[in-house]
Amino acid sequence: KAGVTQTPRYLIKTRGQQVTLSCSPISGHRSVSWYQQTPGQGLQFLFEYFSETQRNKGNFPGRFSGRQFSNSRSEMNVSTLELGDSALYLCASNSPGGSYEQYFGPGTRLTVT
Amino acid sequence: DQQVKQNSPSLSVQEGRISILNCDYTNSMFDYFLWYKKYPAEGPTFLISISSIKDKNEDGRFTVFLNKSAKHLSLHIVPSQPGDSAVYFCAASARRNSGGSNYKLTFGKGTLLTVNP
Repeated sequence: KAGVTQTPRYLIKTRGQQVTLSCSPISGHRSVSWYQQTPGQGLQFLFEYFSETQRNKGNFPGRFSGRQFSNSRSEMNVSTLELGDSALYLCASNSPGGSYEQYFGPGTRLTVT
Repeated sequence: DQQVKQNSPSLSVQEGRISILNCDYTNSMFDYFLWYKKYPAEGPTFLISISSIKDKNEDGRFTVFLNKSAKHLSLHIVPSQPGDSAVYFCAASARRNSGGSNYKLTFGKGTLLTVNP
């Protein structure tokens, strides 16, 4: 079966701009989680969506937001970009049925200049 | 405050020997633990997990041990192979107190394993 798709793979933005990242989970998975990976902080949880509802949220400012569509595809948006937002943004497709396993996409590498 | 700690940034072992990667946690509400492997330019790949009701779980060459009293877990890889060279992340979840969501993972910062031929 097809894996997790994230687009775009690479992105360069300037400070103050906004960005939208997209994630398509594995077919049949209704829950999606987003993580930010930086060298200093490691992998940090951003939020999780299930059936178009945000079910959990990490400790990130309100500039970070997300949404999920009826086909389970998810987007995350970062507004008013800061240099510190440069990171690898990972989307995870969450396995249903109580196995608690997450299948990660390749990530979107965002560079803010 | 880092709730999941991997104190060894790197580990180097010889092919065929055992690799032991360690992880400590501070949050007593964590009840499910996972190990992921990550190659450069790829997302993390799930390896093995363990519930807090167990103290050991095996899957082929990979075994995870959990010591709840010490809040410590370890991943053993036997025998180690050059293809195992990657960054290994320990992750934890507090399923009972996650507001119905089981998919909020807290990750350690990773250990770079290098297996030398």
